[in-house]
Amino acid sequence: DGGITQSPKYLFRKEGQNVTLSCEQNLNHDAMYWYRQDPGQGLRLIYYSQIVNDFQKGDIAEGYSVSREKKESFPLTVTSAQKNPTAFYLCASSADPSRGGVNQPQHFGDGTRLSIL
Amino acid sequence: SQQGEEDPQALSIQEGENATMNCSYKTSINNLQWYRQNSGRGLVHLILIRSNEREKHSGRLRVTLDTSKKSSSLLITASRAADTASYFCATRRQGGSEKLVFGKGTKLTVNP
Repeated sequence: DGGITQSPKYLFRKEGQNVTLSCEQNLNHDAMYWYRQDPGQGLRLIYYSQIVNDFQKGDIAEGYSVSREKKESFPLTVTSAQKNPTAFYLCASSADPSRGGVNQPQHFGDGTRLSIL
Repeated sequence: SQQGEEDPQALSIQEGENATMNCSYKTSINNLQWYRQNSGRGLVHLILIRSNEREKHSGRLRVTLDTSKKSSSLLITASRAADTASYFCATRRQGGSEKLVFGKGTKLTVNP
């Protein structure tokens, strides 16, 4: 079955530690996205990528980093510079909106819940 | 920045009743999308309506779009307990179409 897999489901971060959240898709989508969701809030865009080896900052990129070395994978690193990392992190993918995919939906994984120890 | 704003923030109804949720936005759009999120899960796409469309149906879902008022509504008819979830609207702006901008959502509770 095609879909998006996020791992782990739960993650705990110690003070001063970097942690990496995994996101893999087998939908053959060019575009991938990372969102942060706080309790009772909507989704805020952290980073997005429309093609391998290229990515752009979203609205709240400070304290986060990403890479896009393969089409299928878009890992997110929450660095020690992110002082309030506790949140639910969602990865999504879609056809590239800039190349004919503007009226295509995004497909989401089931999220990673990150907490501070 | 958040563009879509859903109203109400929370809605509680009885099974069998209809549920209506509204979304307002601020800029010109290519399309507006509605998503559903069950507790602790990812979002699931429900329906997309383009800026030149006024109404769209999918099963028990009906979405309307009024671009002059910059607003949309999602109607769920004959609701079921399984419809309990949060519902989000998301807009794809004209000229900034790489990104979707999500609202804060409406939390719907359907009581059996």
